[in-house]
Amino acid sequence: QLQLQESGPGLVKPSETLSLTCTVSGGSVSSVSYYWGWIRQPPGKGLEWIGSIYYSGNTYYNVSLKSRVTISVDTSKNQVSLKLSSVTAADTAVYYCARVEVGSGWLNWGQGTRVSVSA
Amino acid sequence: QSVLTQPPSVSAAPGQKVTVSCSGSISNIGNNYVSWYQVLPGTAPKLLIYDNNKRPSGIPDRFSGSKSGTSATLGITGLQTGDEADYYCGTWDDSLRGWVFGGGTKLTVL
Repeated sequence: QLQLQESGPGLVKPSETLSLTCTVSGGSVSSVSYYWGWIRQPPGKGLEWIGSIYYSGNTYYNVSLKSRVTISVDTSKNQVSLKLSSVTAADTAVYYCARVEVGSGWLNWGQGTRVSVSA
Repeated sequence: QSVLTQPPSVSAAPGQKVTVSCSGSISNIGNNYVSWYQVLPGTAPKLLIYDNNKRPSGIPDRFSGSKSGTSATLGITGLQTGDEADYYCGTWDDSLRGWVFGGGTKLTVL
């Protein structure tokens, strides 16, 4: 059974870089039919797609975050990583790692990790 | 402001039926599959419907989806108190080259 587990600091200072890792078990990040991605939900707000990556390294980013986001995949560790630079309080959210089948829906989700941006 | 438009809230009595609408454009709903997600407080989103009208294994047939043109609809029949949650539609947007979600609809089972 596929499991995704997010990890990383729960508190990040303004202007610094938020770094999260998603460890995948029960499946491979090299699966050819799937993209991996990050989606967040700020407190009291809706879901916001951050970006997606294919195992080959092909990436798509939310245009509103593109200048600050880097998503990468480490096939040797079976992990997907997120880096979001120059964070502000607006980046405070629960961050989810998830898997989507090409052209389909986000079926598999991690439990989410809460990240607060505060001095 | 979300690319996909959903009503902020809907409500119905237990046992009744409710629908949630999701309106978009040619570049998103019009050209791509729509999926629907249930978000219960404090939990990760759960995929309810994918490819417009398909249900993942384990999702009861009380949940249904449809699409027409640039709009999609989630239907829930036989409402239960446990269905109280936020519901989101989502799809790929060809113009933005990215995924977009609706603003979410809060379902209250009266």
